Amino acid sequence: GQQVMQIPQYQHVQEGEDFTTYCNSSTTLSNIQWYKQRPGGHPVFLIQLVKSGEVKKQKRLTFQFGEAKKNSSLHITATQTTDVGTYFCAGQGGRGGSNYKLTFGKGTLLTVNP
Amino acid sequence: DTAVSQTPKYLVTQMGNDKSIKCEQNLGHDTMYWYKQDSKKFLKIMFSYNNKELIINETVPNRFSPKSPDKAHLNLHINSLELGDSAVYFCASSHAGNYGYTFGSGTRLTVV
Repeated sequence: GQQVMQIPQYQHVQEGEDFTTYCNSSTTLSNIQWYKQRPGGHPVFLIQLVKSGEVKKQKRLTFQFGEAKKNSSLHITATQTTDVGTYFCAGQGGRGGSNYKLTFGKGTLLTVNP
Repeated sequence: DTAVSQTPKYLVTQMGNDKSIKCEQNLGHDTMYWYKQDSKKFLKIMFSYNNKELIINETVPNRFSPKSPDKAHLNLHINSLELGDSAVYFCASSHAGNYGYTFGSGTRLTVV
């Protein structure tokens, strides 16, 4: 079945440093989504990437979707303490029933030292 | 005005008991999901319903039975609870197809 791998598992940074998490799928994806889960909270949808090679920005966050639609990355510039949480990528597969199925990576826990 | 609401928020119960978790969404979405998040934060799909029809049923023990009375509600009933069932259960909803999910705040189930 479809597998989504995400690295690193943990990342600790000093406030102001950059942060990147990487996601790799075993199969070609129709789209990839990114979520953020604060400690004790629930996953919150950040963005969806659909097109091959797509790059989207949200303030200090930059999301990329690979040309082969099998990998993605999230980069945060100049981290702040409010960025603390677990960042998940989640991939959706091809057509049919699996199109509804969102497979999550194991997440990257980001901690920021003020 | 909670978009996806789950009840209860916390559930502590003894092994062997039967319990239910309820979920409701007011977003007009046609697809709802149950995810299980274990102690290592791994989010795993359990079930998905689209317009009250079961479309995803992952490898889940048949002690778990979902029920969708209408497209705004998706409940989860668990029979004969085991210690390994302890986890956070998230309900989510979306439009069918390539759309982001809206998650509920979760139900922390502890089996003792």
